[in-house]
Amino acid sequence: GESVGLHLPTLSVQEGDNSIINCAYSNSASDYFIWYKQESGKGPQFIIDIRSNMDKRQGQRVTVLLNKTVKHLSLQIAATQPGDSAVYFCAENSPGTASKLTFGTGTRLQVTL
Amino acid sequence: DAGVIQSPRHEVTEMGQEVTLRCKPISGHNSLFWYRQTMMRGLELLIYFNNNVPIDDSGMPEDRFSAKMPNASFSTLKIQPSEPRDSAVYFCASSLGGESPLHFGNGTRLTVT
Repeated sequence: GESVGLHLPTLSVQEGDNSIINCAYSNSASDYFIWYKQESGKGPQFIIDIRSNMDKRQGQRVTVLLNKTVKHLSLQIAATQPGDSAVYFCAENSPGTASKLTFGTGTRLQVTL
Repeated sequence: DAGVIQSPRHEVTEMGQEVTLRCKPISGHNSLFWYRQTMMRGLELLIYFNNNVPIDDSGMPEDRFSAKMPNASFSTLKIQPSEPRDSAVYFCASSLGGESPLHFGNGTRLTVT
């Protein structure tokens, strides 16, 4: 039979608008979270990270929010640009093994002009 | 900053052949990871090393897969014999260890016919 791949949710945003990408993580004991951006033909690129003792962290044009109560992570991109078009992954660590990351399935961000 | 370097970028081989993927981590990083990315399963951790020692190989699919890290600047992932279902993009990543982000190479796209 025909194989079915992962269905990537897609977010379409107009250039200049803000983007919000959401992620539900699985393990309530995870204490380190990272957002990655992956462009076609390239490896995942680190964007921003956050530890569980924080609920918000800001970078350049990006903000990560962490809600441990509902195990939810979000990435906000301000003034979205065409170069932001990519697949975005959240990742969580395995408790007790800070180095070992488990990745989500990803969200495709499409920036329209 | 050369980043993580992987070779080859593309590999096409016939079923039953041995395949060796290579990785040079970022200098000074003491943790190294091998991930596999497919449409069906997304990004999966295969194995990771700390200070050249394999720590967790629970993600290695089967005995046909093996990984080595003979020194701090080089690692290999070997598949012998290869099968069509091994076709995927294989990523190597390195980090400073602990709660620090992984830095990925641009991957090796493996096609087994």
